[in-house]
Amino acid sequence: GAGVSQSPSNKVTEKGKDVELRCDPISGHTALYWYRQSLGQGLEFLIYFQGNSAPDKSGLPSDRFSAERTGGSVSTLTIQRTQQEDSAVYLCASSLVQGFAGYTFGSGTRLTVV
Amino acid sequence: GENVEQHPSTLSVQEGDSAVIKCTYSDSASNYFPWYKQELGKRPQLIIDIRSNVGEKKDQRIAVTLNKTAKHFSLHITETQPEDSAVYFCAASTGNQFYFGTGTSLTVIP
Repeated sequence: GAGVSQSPSNKVTEKGKDVELRCDPISGHTALYWYRQSLGQGLEFLIYFQGNSAPDKSGLPSDRFSAERTGGSVSTLTIQRTQQEDSAVYLCASSLVQGFAGYTFGSGTRLTVV
Repeated sequence: GENVEQHPSTLSVQEGDSAVIKCTYSDSASNYFPWYKQELGKRPQLIIDIRSNVGEKKDQRIAVTLNKTAKHFSLHITETQPEDSAVYFCAASTGNQFYFGTGTSLTVIP
């Protein structure tokens, strides 16, 4: 597609449920990043995929968070046993090469845990 | 790893005045410094970037300066307009990850 696509755009879930957030990067972009943005806060790095290399998971806040990237394209961020503090906007970004060309954000998924 | 600090966290200016946002970084290997503008409820959008082999770059009313020795870079917005009101993020990259500053909320008062 023309841009980074994220779905759903909004998700309301009950505390304790699992959620899956999807990111479809720009075609051909080898690098994919997930960030979390709490209300009025900055961009918190979560995880980074680059090609077929092992992902950098250093930003994942707990073992309830995991992410996969299948076939070097679509990525799914999974949050298990959601907590209210998980409520935030989850942003995905992709780039053509490591850290540079075409770095573009998706519109994000607004997650609300009630 | 890289550590990016951004100041100020909030900034209010009168329409027509200039706004300056400053960032510092820690990793001397960082060589790419983009700036993003995020309007309320929208995604961050790249507005200008600079690479480490350049000291200054300008695009109409916005400019970015880079001091590699001091490891700091700044965003300058001249003749500010109400539509410049947004959150601005700086970032630094060594070619792998992007490390973002904590953001500056800019309000331009008409």
